[in-house]
Amino acid sequence: QKEVEQDPGPLSVPEGAIVSLNCTYSNSAFQYFMWYRQYSRKGPELLMYTYSSGNKEDGRFTAQVDKSSKYISLFIRDSQPSDSATYLCAMSLYYGNNRLAFGKGNQVVVIP
Amino acid sequence: NAGVTQTPKFQVLKTGQSMTLQCAQDMNHEYMSWYRQDPGMGLRLIHYSVGAGITDQGEVPNGYNVSRSTTEDFPLRLLSAAPSQTSVYFCASSYKSGGANTGELFFGEGSRLTVL
Repeated sequence: QKEVEQDPGPLSVPEGAIVSLNCTYSNSAFQYFMWYRQYSRKGPELLMYTYSSGNKEDGRFTAQVDKSSKYISLFIRDSQPSDSATYLCAMSLYYGNNRLAFGKGNQVVVIP
Repeated sequence: NAGVTQTPKFQVLKTGQSMTLQCAQDMNHEYMSWYRQDPGMGLRLIHYSVGAGITDQGEVPNGYNVSRSTTEDFPLRLLSAAPSQTSVYFCASSYKSGGANTGELFFGEGSRLTVL
């Protein structure tokens, strides 16, 4: 079993819809959780960074962590065509650990 | 501010050839790493470095060499290319804040390698 599981999609939604993405993981020691966004033929860029269980909101983006279920989610409200990208979840054992465990990525297409 | 720069962007090799993928960052980041990204596999860590003169293996190091003689540069060498090394390669760097690693990775745009 891979440490981090992420359904690769693709996921197509109409503009303005809510996008819901999630990852599950097997290692209960993971403490820090991230979401990276990767546009086509570009490198990933950090979108959200959260610690342990709870919610974090940044504009139209909300990251949720449920450590008891080993489950993290990313929600995108009022989705825009510019949100069309691949979203990768990543997690680490402690703050500042650069050896991240990545999910496979979930491709999102927002249709105008 | 260029960030993380990778060259070349595209390369085609024949089996058995060797080559070097270049990576340079101008952000004075101590940590640098190489990943490969394959369909259905996600990002996998090949090698990483926590500072000049220090390198270590990641998840999939076989067939690759690295060195870190300066803070800015972290080249990845393919010793004898194999078709299984066909992939997109990403270099990433990270910085410290208040003396501690932040865990935030800055990625280059990738180098697409095809081995025939």
